[in-house]
Amino acid sequence: DVKVTQSSRYLVKRTGEKVFLECVQDMDHENMFWYRQDPGLGLRLIYFSYDVKMKEKGDIPEGYSVSREKKERFSLILESASTNQTSMYLCASSLWQNQETQYFGPGTRLLVL
Amino acid sequence: EDKVVQSPLSLVVHEGDTVTLNCSYEVTNFRSLLWYKQEKKAPTFLFMLTSSGIEKKSGRLSSILDKKELFSILNITATQTGDSAIYLCAPYNTDKLIFGTGTRLQVFP
Repeated sequence: DVKVTQSSRYLVKRTGEKVFLECVQDMDHENMFWYRQDPGLGLRLIYFSYDVKMKEKGDIPEGYSVSREKKERFSLILESASTNQTSMYLCASSLWQNQETQYFGPGTRLLVL
Repeated sequence: EDKVVQSPLSLVVHEGDTVTLNCSYEVTNFRSLLWYKQEKKAPTFLFMLTSSGIEKKSGRLSSILDKKELFSILNITATQTGDSAIYLCAPYNTDKLIFGTGTRLQVFP
């Protein structure tokens, strides 16, 4: 079974703080993704990565950055958290040859005060 | 611009009922369509559809894709309380999934 884990289920931060969200997958997947999920807007892609040290912008990358130093780990960074980044953040991974079948982590619910 | 519309937004049924969830899409470079079930945590994969008219089944769930009319349906027969969840439709183009906002299904005993 594919397992994708995220470092925190719930997180509360203050405006302006730097926030790190960590995601680890244990199935040697090449692709990893970060989404945010908001009511009425569905899941929106922030960043994705096809390989170590590679990253591609998704649909809403502004205010975020990512890091992929190891194949199994993909980090999402909020350089200076703002209240409009309050959201559910979901990480996913997939195989290179089957990119569309993505396996999701349990999500991190972030509240920025 | 790519567009995915799911209907209904919300559905409340009793155990044993049959439900049909709809997904229509307009996506450039369409390759496949995926359905996910999301309870209070991670979306879990249900189906991937690539060919028109071929039904995929898994237990009480089934799904079919119509690439000419650009829609897919997800059927759940003999619903159970454990089917209560948000069901997400996600067409895939050449490099990403494009998610709809989901249908929230509530099944009461």
